Amino acid sequence: EPEVTQTPSHQVTQMGQEVILRCVPISNHLYFYWYRQILGQKVEFLVSFYNNEISEKSEIFDDQFSVERPDGSNFTLKIRSTKLEDSAMYFCASSVRARSRAFFGQGTRLTVV
Amino acid sequence: GIQVEQSPPDLILQEGANSTLRCNFSDSVNNLQWFHQNPWGQLINLFYIPSGTKQNGRLSATTVATERYSLLYISSSQTTDSGVYFCAVERSNSGYALNFGKGTSLLVTP
Repeated sequence: EPEVTQTPSHQVTQMGQEVILRCVPISNHLYFYWYRQILGQKVEFLVSFYNNEISEKSEIFDDQFSVERPDGSNFTLKIRSTKLEDSAMYFCASSVRARSRAFFGQGTRLTVV
Repeated sequence: GIQVEQSPPDLILQEGANSTLRCNFSDSVNNLQWFHQNPWGQLINLFYIPSGTKQNGRLSATTVATERYSLLYISSSQTTDSGVYFCAVERSNSGYALNFGKGTSLLVTP
């Protein structure tokens, strides 16, 4: 069964450093998303992306965050200058169309020290 | 924003028991999904169910959109059912964001 894949599975970075989280959505899906989950808390929406542009973003997704689809298969989340509070599990998701079943990757656990 | 409340917050079952998890939401929705987060943190999509009833093996779900709730039924529970179950909704006439509830943490004991 097709799946969303994320790399790396774990990343440790120093405060102030830039990180790039990578995702390969399911190949025939057109909508891509990033969510995050701080340890022990609920999953929070960050951003949705369609047709090479952001379609919606949350208050969490400030100027420190950016997304890109650099080629036909990858979808990335960049955090420019990480803060301690950015430590979380970051999930990439994709869906074939808007308002349809979303499939999540296994997550990247980001730890900022 | 839309409020999503799940109950109960925690549940312990013996293997073989049945359970019902509830999700209430505060506004009309056009997208409702149930997820299982396993002990390794992976989010597995169980159902896309903005209305009506669906069944998948031992699991079934019902959403009554007009009354703003959804139910997830787990029958003959197994230890592998342990984890956290999340309900996530997208408000009608909004964008593309799924709003997650806080989840129901389920532990199935042998």
